[in-house]
Amino acid sequence: NAGVTQTPKFQVLKTGQSMTLQCAQDMNHEYMSWYRQDPGMGLRLIHYSVGAGITDQGEVPNGYNVSRSTTEDFPLRLLSAAPSQTSVYFCASSYSAGASHEQFFGPGTRLTVL
Amino acid sequence: GQQLNQSPQSMFIQEGEDVSMNCTSSSIFNTWLWYKQDPGEGPVLLIALYKAGELTSNGRLTAQFGITRKDSFLNISASIPSDVGIYFCAGRKTSYDKVIFGPGTSLSVIP
Repeated sequence: NAGVTQTPKFQVLKTGQSMTLQCAQDMNHEYMSWYRQDPGMGLRLIHYSVGAGITDQGEVPNGYNVSRSTTEDFPLRLLSAAPSQTSVYFCASSYSAGASHEQFFGPGTRLTVL
Repeated sequence: GQQLNQSPQSMFIQEGEDVSMNCTSSSIFNTWLWYKQDPGEGPVLLIALYKAGELTSNGRLTAQFGITRKDSFLNISASIPSDVGIYFCAGRKTSYDKVIFGPGTSLSVIP
């Protein structure tokens, strides 16, 4: 199993550009989520999905869109990048959203918005 | 907003020393999790705690679910250079709540 994979590993954007961060898992996990990590802030939940076709907002959803057309993939879209979106983005998955099914994280995408 | 506090924020220790760090909340949690993040990588789950008072070990790591259910502790014995990284606590208030992460404790080990 590859686990949770994320692409790209690094990305530089100009303000106003759009892009999609890719996330895939091969563990047949129902629950997938996106976090951003900023210094001193820990990990903050952006969006999550409890299964294909179902998504919901987390703590910091503004400026980001998601979709979940398959169990395996959960892309994160930035429609118009802003410098405040400079961060490290992590995708995670787990068997379910409940306790005792804790999350596996991908290696992260380091995004800089100029 | 952020609801978990971790202390210390950072620590520098000599190889072989023991390490203690803690995580506190103003709310009661029913699950406490400890993750480690190596430089340039995603967090990896170290220990999960599901019961007040529970004490769980994973090699040289030991974590405890506080009796008040508002705190948790992580100890690392006989630290080694590969212990370097950021240690995050995380928790859930109920079994199906979203996981909330603390800001992390950065650990540096001096050989």
